Amino acid sequence: DSGVTQTPKHLITATGQRVTLRCSPRSGDLSVYWYQQSLDQGLQFLIQYYNGEERAKGNILERFSAQQFPDLHSELNLSSLELGDSALYFCASSVGPGGPTGELFFGEGSRLTVL
Amino acid sequence: QKEVEQDPGPLSVPEGAIVSLNCTYSNSAFQYFMWYRQYSRKGPELLMYTYSSGNKEDGRFTAQVDKSSKYISLFIRDSQPSDSATYLCAMSVVGGSNYKLTFGKGTLLTVNP
Repeated sequence: DSGVTQTPKHLITATGQRVTLRCSPRSGDLSVYWYQQSLDQGLQFLIQYYNGEERAKGNILERFSAQQFPDLHSELNLSSLELGDSALYFCASSVGPGGPTGELFFGEGSRLTVL
Repeated sequence: QKEVEQDPGPLSVPEGAIVSLNCTYSNSAFQYFMWYRQYSRKGPELLMYTYSSGNKEDGRFTAQVDKSSKYISLFIRDSQPSDSATYLCAMSVVGGSNYKLTFGKGTLLTVNP
């Protein structure tokens, strides 16, 4: 158990809908990262927050947004969903703002299916 | 050309075999190289990391980096059924206070008892 908690584990919704994925980082970790994993694209970095502030941005679509709250949990909002958004969404956390060792602690993911 | 290329396999070996997993990359700015292991229905977990070129050993696992060839490898000796998982290479460019990992797509390994 990595200590990172993600909810929901599974989510099925329809195109055009909006969903929110939630992540609680490990105790003491200030950084939260969101990744998308699909068979054809692999694991893609979306966005990072550190202590409530956006720190780094990757290939995140404009239809997606995220935030980190004062209690350090984070939410990833996905709107106007398309079939291609079906994927595993991982949250990861680390202690600091992002160091070179790459020691991210991943949750078990939220599997999103868009029908 | 993708920044990181990794053969997706699947790779199936008998228990006790030596396994070699590899990634190539195109971005010469990568300085940190990692291997993550992902069991089915779980998130990735860090297995090993190395900085720049060279070898690093941890028990049955050895990571190698050849920056001149832009090629990294993970060797697993005396492979066990519990090693069955997807192995993802990951690389990092360090600049300022931001970083992100660039992952390979992963190689699915099955070790048969």
